Amino acid sequence: EAGVAQSPRYKIIEKRQSVAFWCNPISGHATLYWYQQILGQGPKLLIQFQNNGVVDDSQLPKDRFSAERLKGVDSTLKIQPAKLEDSAVYLCASSRRQGLNTEAFFGQGTRLTVV
Amino acid sequence: GESVGLHLPTLSVQEGDNSIINCAYSNSASDYFIWYKQESGKGPQFIIDIRSNMDKRQGQRVTVLLNKTVKHLSLQIAATQPGDSAVYFCAETNTGGFKTIFGAGTRLFVKA
Repeated sequence: EAGVAQSPRYKIIEKRQSVAFWCNPISGHATLYWYQQILGQGPKLLIQFQNNGVVDDSQLPKDRFSAERLKGVDSTLKIQPAKLEDSAVYLCASSRRQGLNTEAFFGQGTRLTVV
Repeated sequence: GESVGLHLPTLSVQEGDNSIINCAYSNSASDYFIWYKQESGKGPQFIIDIRSNMDKRQGQRVTVLLNKTVKHLSLQIAATQPGDSAVYFCAETNTGGFKTIFGAGTRLFVKA
């Protein structure tokens, strides 16, 4: 079974610029997550989708971050405009469903550096 | 706010010894817990999980213990190998809210 695919692997941008990340979850996985992992910290959930609907986006800085999963498969996460503190690894994960016994499979992440 | 934390940020063990990584959680409503392993440059990888109605669960070389009284979780790795070197995260989930909270992580070093 193919894993969660993310692109790009690395991105360097200047502050105030825009950036977008792409995620292709494991086929058949209804739940998709975007996490932000700052160096030395655990992943922090930004947004969770169930199919194409948002389940939780309470920690998403909505003034600058947006995410969509229009067809319930691929997802994009956008930052506009970026700030220095957005430098982190952005992880996408997917699981068959939400709730118990829902092992999440993670992609390798996109390392964003804002300079 | 509610959070998941770890007692030891780094742990160094000799190859072949057993490792114990500890985690404290603060949300008494959490009912599902997962341990993840993250190697450098990779995303977290599932190791083992446990429901709140269990005290112990065993996998291959790994055991998770849950003490709900003191809200403590531990991961035991038997016969630790160099390939076990990584950062280990505990994560808690309130399956009613479906939100998973990760702790800060413990880095495990295995000395050959």
